[in-house]
Amino acid sequence: EPEVTQTPSHQVTQMGQEVILRCVPISNHLYFYWYRQILGQKVEFLVSFYNNEISEKSEIFDDQFSVERPDGSNFTLKIRSTKLEDSAMYFCASLASGSYEQYFGPGTRLTVT
Amino acid sequence: RKEVEQDPGPFNVPEGATVAFNCTYSNSASQSFFWYRQDCRKEPKLLMSVYSSGNEDGRFTAQLNRASQYISLLIRDSKLSDSATYLCAVKKAGGTSYGKLTFGQGTILTVHP
Repeated sequence: EPEVTQTPSHQVTQMGQEVILRCVPISNHLYFYWYRQILGQKVEFLVSFYNNEISEKSEIFDDQFSVERPDGSNFTLKIRSTKLEDSAMYFCASLASGSYEQYFGPGTRLTVT
Repeated sequence: RKEVEQDPGPFNVPEGATVAFNCTYSNSASQSFFWYRQDCRKEPKLLMSVYSSGNEDGRFTAQLNRASQYISLLIRDSKLSDSATYLCAVKKAGGTSYGKLTFGQGTILTVHP
Protein backbone atom coordinates (compact mmCIF):
# COMPACT_ATOMS: atom_id res chain seq x y z
CA GLU A 1 0.00 0.00 0.00
CA PRO A 2 1.45 3.40 -0.94
CA GLU A 3 2.29 5.64 1.99
CA VAL A 4 3.59 9.07 2.85
CA THR A 5 7.09 9.00 4.29
CA GLN A 6 8.84 11.62 6.39
CA THR A 7 12.42 12.17 7.46
CA PRO A 8 13.88 12.47 9.98
CA SER A 9 11.63 10.82 12.53
CA HIS A 10 13.14 12.98 15.27
CA GLN A 11 15.10 16.20 14.95
CA VAL A 12 16.73 18.02 17.83
CA THR A 13 17.94 21.53 17.16
CA GLN A 14 19.02 24.59 19.05
CA MET A 15 16.92 27.71 19.15
CA GLY A 16 17.71 29.99 16.23
CA GLN A 17 18.87 27.21 13.94
CA GLU A 18 17.28 26.37 10.62
CA VAL A 19 15.62 23.00 10.10
CA ILE A 20 14.27 21.31 7.03
CA LEU A 21 11.67 18.60 7.41
CA ARG A 22 11.24 16.28 4.47
CA CYS A 23 8.26 14.43 3.12
CA VAL A 24 7.69 12.13 0.17
CA PRO A 25 3.98 12.21 -0.65
CA ILE A 26 2.18 9.37 -2.41
CA SER A 27 3.30 9.47 -6.02
CA ASN A 28 0.06 10.26 -7.86
CA HIS A 29 -1.21 12.77 -5.29
CA LEU A 30 -1.44 16.42 -6.26
CA TYR A 31 -2.27 18.23 -3.01
CA PHE A 32 0.16 18.47 -0.13
CA TYR A 33 -0.15 19.70 3.41
CA TRP A 34 1.78 20.31 6.57
CA TYR A 35 0.14 20.07 9.95
CA ARG A 36 1.65 20.27 13.39
CA GLN A 37 0.65 18.93 16.78
CA ILE A 38 2.12 20.34 19.94
CA LEU A 39 2.26 17.68 22.65
CA GLY A 40 -1.15 17.24 24.23
CA GLN A 41 -2.86 19.60 21.80
CA LYS A 42 -4.87 19.27 18.64
CA VAL A 43 -3.60 18.77 15.12
CA GLU A 44 -3.33 22.20 13.47
CA PHE A 45 -3.18 23.07 9.80
CA LEU A 46 -0.09 24.98 8.66
CA VAL A 47 -0.10 25.15 4.89
CA SER A 48 -1.42 23.55 1.74
CA PHE A 49 0.39 23.35 -1.58
CA TYR A 50 -0.85 22.67 -5.08
CA ASN A 51 0.58 23.18 -8.53
CA ASN A 52 3.88 24.38 -7.10
CA GLU A 53 2.46 27.13 -5.00
CA ILE A 54 0.91 27.70 -1.62
CA SER A 55 -2.86 27.54 -1.83
CA GLU A 56 -3.60 28.41 1.78
CA LYS A 57 -1.69 29.04 4.98
CA SER A 58 -2.66 29.51 8.59
CA GLU A 59 -1.70 32.27 11.00
CA ILE A 60 0.95 29.96 12.41
CA PHE A 61 2.72 29.85 9.05
CA ASP A 62 4.59 33.13 9.35
CA ASP A 63 7.70 34.40 7.57
CA GLN A 64 9.87 31.89 9.44
CA PHE A 65 8.23 29.04 7.55
CA SER A 66 8.53 28.11 3.91
CA VAL A 67 7.63 25.11 1.79
CA GLU A 68 9.09 23.78 -1.38
CA ARG A 69 8.71 20.95 -3.80
CA PRO A 70 12.25 20.89 -5.16
CA ASP A 71 11.73 17.88 -7.43
CA GLY A 72 8.97 15.51 -8.44
CA SER A 73 8.92 13.61 -5.20
CA ASN A 74 9.99 15.62 -2.16
CA PHE A 75 7.96 18.20 -0.28
CA THR A 76 9.83 20.14 2.39
CA LEU A 77 9.03 22.43 5.28
CA LYS A 78 11.74 24.83 6.33
CA ILE A 79 11.79 26.73 9.59
CA ARG A 80 14.33 29.49 9.24
CA SER A 81 15.06 30.35 12.85
CA THR A 82 13.51 27.90 15.26
CA LYS A 83 11.90 28.95 18.52
CA LEU A 84 11.19 26.87 21.60
CA GLU A 85 7.49 26.96 20.77
CA ASP A 86 8.15 25.28 17.41
CA SER A 87 8.69 22.02 19.29
CA ALA A 88 5.95 19.72 18.02
CA MET A 89 5.14 16.78 15.78
CA TYR A 90 5.01 17.86 12.16
CA PHE A 91 2.84 15.78 9.88
CA CYS A 92 2.88 15.86 6.13
CA ALA A 93 -0.25 14.78 4.27
CA SER A 94 -1.17 14.27 0.66
CA LEU A 95 -4.40 13.97 -1.26
CA ALA A 96 -5.28 12.61 -4.66
CA SER A 97 -7.32 14.64 -7.10
CA GLY A 98 -11.02 13.94 -6.69
CA SER A 99 -10.53 12.29 -3.30
CA TYR A 100 -11.43 13.37 0.22
CA GLU A 101 -9.02 11.12 2.05
CA GLN A 102 -5.84 12.77 3.22
CA TYR A 103 -3.04 10.35 3.94
CA PHE A 104 -0.74 11.38 6.74
CA GLY A 105 2.93 10.56 7.11
CA PRO A 106 4.33 9.21 10.39
CA GLY A 107 5.52 12.65 11.45
CA THR A 108 8.76 14.30 12.45
CA ARG A 109 9.15 15.11 16.10
CA LEU A 110 10.96 18.44 16.33
CA THR A 111 12.56 19.35 19.62
CA VAL A 112 13.98 22.86 19.96
CA THR A 113 16.30 23.37 22.93
CA ARG B 1 -16.64 29.12 20.20
CA LYS B 2 -14.06 26.65 18.91
CA GLU B 3 -14.40 25.67 15.27
CA VAL B 4 -14.51 21.98 16.08
CA GLU B 5 -15.17 20.81 19.62
CA GLN B 6 -15.02 17.38 21.20
CA ASP B 7 -15.37 16.05 24.70
CA PRO B 8 -11.75 15.17 25.52
CA GLY B 9 -12.78 12.32 27.83
CA PRO B 10 -11.11 10.11 28.76
CA PHE B 11 -13.69 7.42 28.22
CA ASN B 12 -12.81 4.22 30.08
CA VAL B 13 -14.98 1.30 29.04
CA PRO B 14 -14.83 -2.48 29.43
CA GLU B 15 -14.39 -4.76 26.47
CA GLY B 16 -17.68 -5.36 24.72
CA ALA B 17 -19.17 -2.02 25.69
CA THR B 18 -20.79 0.42 23.32
CA VAL B 19 -19.39 3.94 23.40
CA ALA B 20 -20.40 7.09 21.58
CA PHE B 21 -18.49 10.28 20.88
CA ASN B 22 -19.89 13.58 19.75
CA CYS B 23 -18.28 16.46 17.93
CA THR B 24 -19.75 19.90 17.24
CA TYR B 25 -18.66 22.34 14.58
CA SER B 26 -19.34 26.04 14.42
CA ASN B 27 -19.13 26.82 10.71
CA SER B 28 -22.37 26.00 8.94
CA ALA B 29 -20.47 26.13 5.63
CA SER B 30 -18.61 22.97 6.60
CA GLN B 31 -18.88 20.44 3.86
CA SER B 32 -17.12 17.20 4.69
CA PHE B 33 -16.71 15.38 7.94
CA PHE B 34 -14.37 12.68 9.09
CA TRP B 35 -13.37 10.59 12.05
CA TYR B 36 -9.68 9.88 12.40
CA ARG B 37 -7.99 7.60 14.87
CA GLN B 38 -4.67 8.55 16.42
CA ASP B 39 -2.52 6.20 18.45
CA CYS B 40 -0.05 7.64 20.93
CA ARG B 41 2.64 9.68 19.13
CA LYS B 42 1.48 8.41 15.74
CA GLU B 43 -0.14 10.02 12.75
CA PRO B 44 -3.90 10.42 12.35
CA LYS B 45 -5.42 7.63 10.29
CA LEU B 46 -8.77 7.95 8.60
CA LEU B 47 -11.36 5.80 10.30
CA MET B 48 -14.36 6.84 8.25
CA SER B 49 -15.93 9.67 6.34
CA VAL B 50 -19.31 10.83 7.61
CA TYR B 51 -22.17 11.10 5.16
CA SER B 52 -25.46 12.91 5.56
CA SER B 53 -27.38 9.66 5.53
CA GLY B 54 -25.13 8.13 8.18
CA ASN B 55 -22.80 5.27 7.48
CA GLU B 56 -21.61 2.10 9.08
CA ASP B 57 -18.39 0.15 8.82
CA GLY B 58 -18.44 -3.01 10.87
CA ARG B 59 -18.64 -2.04 14.53
CA PHE B 60 -18.42 1.67 13.75
CA THR B 61 -21.33 3.94 12.89
CA ALA B 62 -21.01 7.60 12.04
CA GLN B 63 -23.84 10.10 11.83
CA LEU B 64 -24.16 13.71 10.81
CA ASN B 65 -26.77 16.20 12.00
CA ARG B 66 -26.39 19.33 9.89
CA ALA B 67 -29.24 21.18 11.60
CA SER B 68 -27.57 20.86 14.99
CA GLN B 69 -24.04 20.93 13.54
CA TYR B 70 -22.71 17.81 15.15
CA ILE B 71 -21.35 14.47 14.13
CA SER B 72 -21.15 11.32 16.16
CA LEU B 73 -19.23 8.08 16.23
CA LEU B 74 -20.60 4.93 17.81
CA ILE B 75 -18.37 1.98 18.54
CA ARG B 76 -20.09 -1.29 19.35
CA ASP B 77 -18.51 -4.32 21.01
CA SER B 78 -15.36 -2.40 21.98
CA LYS B 79 -12.04 -4.21 21.65
CA LEU B 80 -8.82 -3.55 23.53
CA SER B 81 -7.34 -2.49 20.20
CA ASP B 82 -9.89 0.34 19.93
CA SER B 83 -7.98 2.22 22.65
CA ALA B 84 -6.80 5.40 20.96
CA THR B 85 -7.64 9.07 20.53
CA TYR B 86 -10.51 9.73 18.14
CA LEU B 87 -10.29 12.95 16.17
CA CYS B 88 -13.17 14.70 14.53
CA ALA B 89 -12.18 16.63 11.39
CA VAL B 90 -14.11 19.04 9.24
CA LYS B 91 -13.49 20.51 5.81
CA LYS B 92 -15.11 23.76 4.81
CA ALA B 93 -16.84 24.21 1.50
CA GLY B 94 -15.20 26.41 -1.08
CA GLY B 95 -12.14 28.47 -0.24
CA THR B 96 -8.79 28.28 -1.99
CA SER B 97 -7.58 25.18 -0.26
CA TYR B 98 -8.48 21.75 -1.44
CA GLY B 99 -9.16 19.59 1.56
CA LYS B 100 -7.73 21.61 4.43
CA LEU B 101 -8.88 19.83 7.60
CA THR B 102 -9.79 21.44 10.89
CA PHE B 103 -9.47 19.01 13.78
CA GLY B 104 -11.03 18.81 17.18
CA GLN B 105 -8.80 18.19 20.17
CA GLY B 106 -9.65 14.51 20.22
CA THR B 107 -11.45 12.15 22.56
CA ILE B 108 -9.36 9.60 24.43
CA LEU B 109 -10.77 6.09 24.62
CA THR B 110 -9.37 3.37 26.83
CA VAL B 111 -10.89 -0.10 26.60
CA HIS B 112 -9.98 -2.34 29.52
CA PRO B 113 -10.36 -6.11 29.99
